[in-house]
Amino acid sequence: GIQVEQSPPDLILQEGANSTLRCNFSDSVNNLQWFHQNPWGQLINLFYIPSGTKQNGRLSATTVATERYSLLYISSSQTTDSGVYFCAVGDDYKLSFGAGTTVTVRA
Amino acid sequence: DAGVIQSPRHEVTEMGQEVTLRCKPISGHNSLFWYRQTMMRGLELLIYFNNNVPIDDSGMPEDRFSAKMPNASFSTLKIQPSEPRDSAVYFCASSGNVNTEAFFGQGTRLTVV
Repeated sequence: GIQVEQSPPDLILQEGANSTLRCNFSDSVNNLQWFHQNPWGQLINLFYIPSGTKQNGRLSATTVATERYSLLYISSSQTTDSGVYFCAVGDDYKLSFGAGTTVTVRA
Repeated sequence: DAGVIQSPRHEVTEMGQEVTLRCKPISGHNSLFWYRQTMMRGLELLIYFNNNVPIDDSGMPEDRFSAKMPNASFSTLKIQPSEPRDSAVYFCASSGNVNTEAFFGQGTRLTVV
């Protein structure tokens, strides 16, 4: 299956800081999603982005499919951004998840 | 749309008991997935249905696990008999088609004591 590596594994931010999360994958994909798992365990869709760039408020994402990586940008972080961010990729129906980046935003 | 709906949200059961988890996918979605999340293994796909037909059940850990999708709006994941190592969060997800955005339910946290 497709291997997914996320970095860094942990990230501690001061409120208001910016950050970049990275997702590398081992093969070509037709599906790439970013999720935020909040402290209550819910998986929230952030972006469906198999290629290109998207923005949603303070969050944006870029996928360079030819180079097999995706980046998630968090700007002006808030305490509500805390949680685990997952990258998931697939070339068919199966989504393979990375191990996640745990983000802690301190007030 | 209400999103993917799972029940129960929490389940505590004794070893050896049967457990049934339920899922209602988003209306109009024809792909349904069951995932399991543990600290050790992360999120892993258990089974995938397309148009109510099981396509890939290679992730189902043992014969103790079974899943059904009797119609487009309902699926179950059953564990019989349950064991403590089955303790995990079980997610159901649905999508409109392959390689389209998948949406997850809130999960069922299962504890087997």
